Amino acid sequence: EPEVTQTPSHQVTQMGQEVILRCVPISNHLYFYWYRQILGQKVEFLVSFYNNEISEKSEIFDDQFSVERPDGSNFTLKIRSTKLEDSAMYFCASTSSRQETQYFGPGTRLLVL
Amino acid sequence: DQQVKQNSPSLSVQEGRISILNCDYTNSMFDYFLWYKKYPAEGPTFLISISSIKDKNEDGRFTVFLNKSAKHLSLHIVPSQPGDSAVYFCAATNNAGNMLTFGGGTRLMVKP
Repeated sequence: EPEVTQTPSHQVTQMGQEVILRCVPISNHLYFYWYRQILGQKVEFLVSFYNNEISEKSEIFDDQFSVERPDGSNFTLKIRSTKLEDSAMYFCASTSSRQETQYFGPGTRLLVL
Repeated sequence: DQQVKQNSPSLSVQEGRISILNCDYTNSMFDYFLWYKKYPAEGPTFLISISSIKDKNEDGRFTVFLNKSAKHLSLHIVPSQPGDSAVYFCAATNNAGNMLTFGGGTRLMVKP
């Protein structure tokens, strides 16, 4: 069964460093998303991406965040200058159309020290 | 922002009995609702969904009920199995944008 994959599974970084989280969505999907879950809190929407541009973003997704689909398979989330409060699980999701179910990857656990 | 709420942080059920997980929402623009199951260190796994034009959707042991007037949905699992033990999230979205808004989750423990 096709699935969303994410790398790395864990990332530890120093505050102020840049990180790039990678996702490979399901191959025939066209809509891509990033969510995060801070420990003990809700899963929160960050950004959605379609047709090579951002279609929606939350207030969490500020200028420190960016997304890119550099090729036909990868979808990346970049945090330019990480802060302690960016420590969270980051989940990528994809779907074939806006009205279809979003399928999630296993997540990347980011720890900012 | 409490647009989607799951008021029970945990639920314990005996194997073979029914598990009922509840979810309330406040945004009347939501028109599509989903339940996800999550194990530790894994991503949310889709379970079942329901559109606002329906009041019930069933898939095997899982049934979701939607009461639009009460802005309430519930997930019934029957019979419950120990492998169902996980955190269950309800999520909602609307036609205008398909970002998912999640509830806080309910940890279900099914005891053998």
